Amino acid sequence: DSGVTQTPKHLITATGQRVTLRCSPRSGDLSVYWYQQSLDQGLQFLIQYYNGEERAKGNILERFSAQQFPDLHSELNLSSLELGDSALYFCASSVGAYQETQYFGPGTRLLVL
Amino acid sequence: KNEVEQSPQNLTAQEGEFITINCSYSVGISALHWLQQHPGGGIVSLFMLSSGKKKHGRLIATINIQEKHSSLHITASHPRDSAVYICAVTPMDSNYQLIWGAGTKLIIKP
Repeated sequence: DSGVTQTPKHLITATGQRVTLRCSPRSGDLSVYWYQQSLDQGLQFLIQYYNGEERAKGNILERFSAQQFPDLHSELNLSSLELGDSALYFCASSVGAYQETQYFGPGTRLLVL
Repeated sequence: KNEVEQSPQNLTAQEGEFITINCSYSVGISALHWLQQHPGGGIVSLFMLSSGKKKHGRLIATINIQEKHSSLHITASHPRDSAVYICAVTPMDSNYQLIWGAGTKLIIKP
């Protein structure tokens, strides 16, 4: 158990809908990272937050947004969902802002029908 | 050409064999990470190293900064080692995010 929690574990929804994925980092970790992993693909970095502020942005679509709250949990919002958004979404956390060891949550498996 | 290349892409071996997975990179780095993704999807960080060698149980990771190459070794492999092993690097420029390899899918047969 990495100490990073993600909810929900599974999510099935329809095209055009909006969903929110939630992540709670390990106690003491200030950075939260979001990744997307499509079927049989590698991890794609989406976005990083550090202590409430956006730190770095990767290949995140405009339909996706994220935020980190004062209690350091983070939410990833996916809107106008398309079939191709079906994927595993991972959250990871680390102590600092830079690329040290990241601890991964169990992931949220999203299926868009 | 990808900045982080892993080989082999797929590896099937018998239980007990010594396993080597390679990672080569083309950028200057401050650290290299090895992670393991289980068939169920969970990802675990195995090592972060910037020089030399680290060992944890049956896993050994080495890095040669001059050659821009790292290896992950598994001794006395076991079917439970079956997973995807991912190499990622932290580029020297701290503004960049981790650069990820495509992963090596390892299957250990009993």
